[in-house]
Amino acid sequence: GDSVTQMEGPVTLSEEAFLTINCTYTATGYPSLFWYVQYPGEGLQLLLKATKADDKGSNKGFEATYRKETTSFHLEKGSVQVSDSAVYFCALTPNTGFQKLVFGTGTRLLVSP
Amino acid sequence: ETGVTQSPTHLIKTRGQQVTLRCSSQSGHNTVSWYQQALGQGPQFIFQYYREEENGRGNFPPRFSGLQFPNYSSELNVNALELDDSALYLCASSPGQAGSYEQYFGPGTRLTVT
Repeated sequence: GDSVTQMEGPVTLSEEAFLTINCTYTATGYPSLFWYVQYPGEGLQLLLKATKADDKGSNKGFEATYRKETTSFHLEKGSVQVSDSAVYFCALTPNTGFQKLVFGTGTRLLVSP
Repeated sequence: ETGVTQSPTHLIKTRGQQVTLRCSSQSGHNTVSWYQQALGQGPQFIFQYYREEENGRGNFPPRFSGLQFPNYSSELNVNALELDDSALYLCASSPGQAGSYEQYFGPGTRLTVT
């Protein structure tokens, strides 16, 4: 079945450091790929998405590129801020049938001043 | 534009009891999905409703059931509660069924079963 694997956390960085959170997926066909963020005590917010191979999603300085050849969708940011501290979830939905998000287990990011 | 809302925020129930959680979808959205997020885990898909019909279900037993109303709001019902049902329950709405549509999440209902 469809699945998402992302790196375990926590990822601990100093402010202005470069961030990479790895995500790989297993799916049939051509899924859509997403990164969601969950701040403490809150629900999920969509951070960015890509719906086909080689698409780059970007938002708030974060970006991720849909790589079909490596089945990956790694999240990157050039300079993190303390306010980026949260849990990040990589997810996919198949592009056929009904819309069901399959999530990874999440990666906690801690950014210190 | 009002986003996705859920009620109640927190709930404490005893094992064996029944619970109903509610979700109001975002204006114009006809699709609602429910997810269960255990502590420290990613959300797990429970089921989805499209125009008042269940059109997809994850690996959850039949004691998890739902409804969608004509205004596209939704309920999640869980019977015979078990301790492992303790989790954050998330509702998400979207403007359609296709996988490329964005799902908009509510803040969740935290259920504790004792």
